[in-house]
Amino acid sequence: AQSVTQPDIHITVSEGASLELRCNYSYGATPYLFWYVQSPGQGLQLLLKYFSGDTLVQGIKGFEAEFKRSQSSFNLRKPSVHWSDAAEYFCAVGASGGYQKVTFGTGTKLQVIP
Amino acid sequence: NAGVTQTPKFQVLKTGQSMTLQCAQDMNHNSMYWYRQDPGMGLRLIYYSASEGTTDKGEVPNGYNVSRLNKREFSLRLESAAPSQTSVYFCASMERYSNQPQHFGDGTRLSIL
Repeated sequence: AQSVTQPDIHITVSEGASLELRCNYSYGATPYLFWYVQSPGQGLQLLLKYFSGDTLVQGIKGFEAEFKRSQSSFNLRKPSVHWSDAAEYFCAVGASGGYQKVTFGTGTKLQVIP
Repeated sequence: NAGVTQTPKFQVLKTGQSMTLQCAQDMNHNSMYWYRQDPGMGLRLIYYSASEGTTDKGEVPNGYNVSRLNKREFSLRLESAAPSQTSVYFCASMERYSNQPQHFGDGTRLSIL
C-alpha cells in the first residue's frame, strides 16, 4: 500500500529565509507525486507535480521539488519565503493507472515571521 | 472557470439529522472523489467513483453513502449524522488514465452538535 510521511508538523521561518519541507513516500513502482498548498479556510491548490523525467520540478509561486528515488523523498523548496507563503502544505502520492488513488500526508503548517 | 463546485459551504446539523453534500464538476472528468479533512490527519478518502455508474469505498466510508448521479455530479450523504463526522469535506475530480492531478472544490465545513 502507498503511504506518505511528512515528518514536520509545524515549521517557522523568517521572511526571506530559505525553506525546505520534507516528504517521504512508500510505493512499489514509480510514483506520481504532488505538492498542494492550502490557505486557511480554502481548498487545495496544486503547487507542482512529478510523473517522470527531470527529477527537479518547478512549480508555481517560486516553489520547486526534487524527486530522489534512492531516498524515497520529494522535498519541497523555496529560496526566499514571503509572508504570503504561510499556509499548510500537503505532499501526496498517486498510483499510476486505473482511477489513480491518491494518498495524502498529514501536512506541514508553515509560519512566516517578519 | 468553475472547476469543482461544492454546496453548501457551511452547515450545522444536530446529531441524528441527515443531509446531502453536493459536488459538481464542469471539466468532463471521469473520476470523482470525496475526502474528509481533520486536524493532523491530512485528507482521507471516503468514497470515490472511477467512472459514471460506479462507486467504491475508500479509507473511511462508515456512516456515509454516495451517488454518482451523472458524469458531472457526485453527492455524499450522511444518513444519521454523528459528532465524529464534524469535519471539512472536499470533493475532487480527475481525468482517469491521465497524468493530470486532482482538482479540488473549496470544501464544505460541517459541524454536528
